[in-house]
Amino acid sequence: DVKVTQSSRYLVKRTGEKVFLECVQDMDHENMFWYRQDPGLGLRLIYFSYDVKMKEKGDIPEGYSVSREKKERFSLILESASTNQTSMYLCASSPGGYTYEQYFGPGTRLTVT
Amino acid sequence: GQNIDQPTEMTATEGAIVQINCTYQTSGFNGLFWYQQHAGEAPTFLSYNVLDGLEEKGRFSSFLSRSKGYSYLLLKELQMKDSASYLCAVSKQAGTALIFGKGTTLSVSS
Repeated sequence: DVKVTQSSRYLVKRTGEKVFLECVQDMDHENMFWYRQDPGLGLRLIYFSYDVKMKEKGDIPEGYSVSREKKERFSLILESASTNQTSMYLCASSPGGYTYEQYFGPGTRLTVT
Repeated sequence: GQNIDQPTEMTATEGAIVQINCTYQTSGFNGLFWYQQHAGEAPTFLSYNVLDGLEEKGRFSSFLSRSKGYSYLLLKELQMKDSASYLCAVSKQAGTALIFGKGTTLSVSS
């Protein structure tokens, strides 16, 4: 079974803090993705990576950065957390090349106070 | 631009059949996915259509018409555990991210 894990299920941070969200997949997938999910807005893509050290901006990259130093790990960084970044963050992975389903991690519910 | 539309909410009763529609307008099309997401959980894959027609998988079926930019997810013999959000997502290009609709929340009552 494909497994995508995220470092925390729940996280509470203060405004201005630097926040790291970690995602690890164990299926040697090339592609990894970070989404945020908000009520009424659905899933929105923040960043995705199609290879180690490669990244592409999604629809809402402002205020975020990412790091992919190893194939299995994709980190989302909130440089200076703000209250409007309170959300559910979902990581996903998929094989590269053709179109495949994405496998999602359990999500991290981040609250910024 | 891209647009994926699906109804916000639907209700149905146990044992019934429900059809969740999805229309899309995207600059590129390489397949359409349906995901199920229970409250507080991650989305899980239900189906994938890239050619026109119906794909059946147990109680769930998914249909695609590329010329109409239209898909539906059909759920038969509804059970209480089918209460969830159903997400329609389009792949514009192989190997890239999916574009998700806002999801349809289905409530099944007894």
